[in-house]
Amino acid sequence: QQQVKQSPQSLIVQKGGISIINCAYENTAFDYFPWYQQFPGKGPALLIAIRPDVSEKKEGRFTISFNKSAKQFSLHIMDSQPGDSATYFCAAKATPLVFGKGTRLSVIA
Amino acid sequence: GAGVSQTPSNKVTEKGKYVELRCDPISGHTALYWYRQSLGQGPEFLIYFQGTGAADDSGLPNDRFFAVRPEGSVSTLKIQRTERGDSAVYLCASSPTLGQNTGELFFGEGSRLTVL
Repeated sequence: QQQVKQSPQSLIVQKGGISIINCAYENTAFDYFPWYQQFPGKGPALLIAIRPDVSEKKEGRFTISFNKSAKQFSLHIMDSQPGDSATYFCAAKATPLVFGKGTRLSVIA
Repeated sequence: GAGVSQTPSNKVTEKGKYVELRCDPISGHTALYWYRQSLGQGPEFLIYFQGTGAADDSGLPNDRFFAVRPEGSVSTLKIQRTERGDSAVYLCASSPTLGQNTGELFFGEGSRLTVL
């Protein structure tokens, strides 16, 4: 049973463009929604996170939009850079943390 | 060390063999998690410890998998009678809390297990 559904599987964006990754969940007990970034050969690292009582959170070029009624949340990367090329995972927590399948982002010059 | 340390970084074994994977969490972190990541997939939960006890082992796929954390710090994931389907990267993560107030897990770089 996949508790967090993530799309797209892969994404190619031009440098300077906006990258958008979407996630949906079913379990209303989830109370924390982080996004993790993973580079090849490394473990995932927390990028940004949001709680369900907030509709948006912004940190630098990264923004999470959260729609509680639709049970969806998304990551927006503004002014995407080649260094952003990585795999991104949405996750949700009711303990333990459950992850989506990931989106491989490639930012091309 | 400053981060979560996992050893070995790579392990190649033959089908049917026994393997142990070690995780040394960030000092002072009470919660420790094991995840498994197959190629092109997200991390899949296996087990987590709060202190020395396994608080949730519902993700262990079968009784060939076992994990311990005898002194509440270092943990070992043990896999008996390995199968080719066990090939994956085994990730360890630690957290300074029970995980009830934050979702931040600090991951190691993983142990890549290949079963031939």
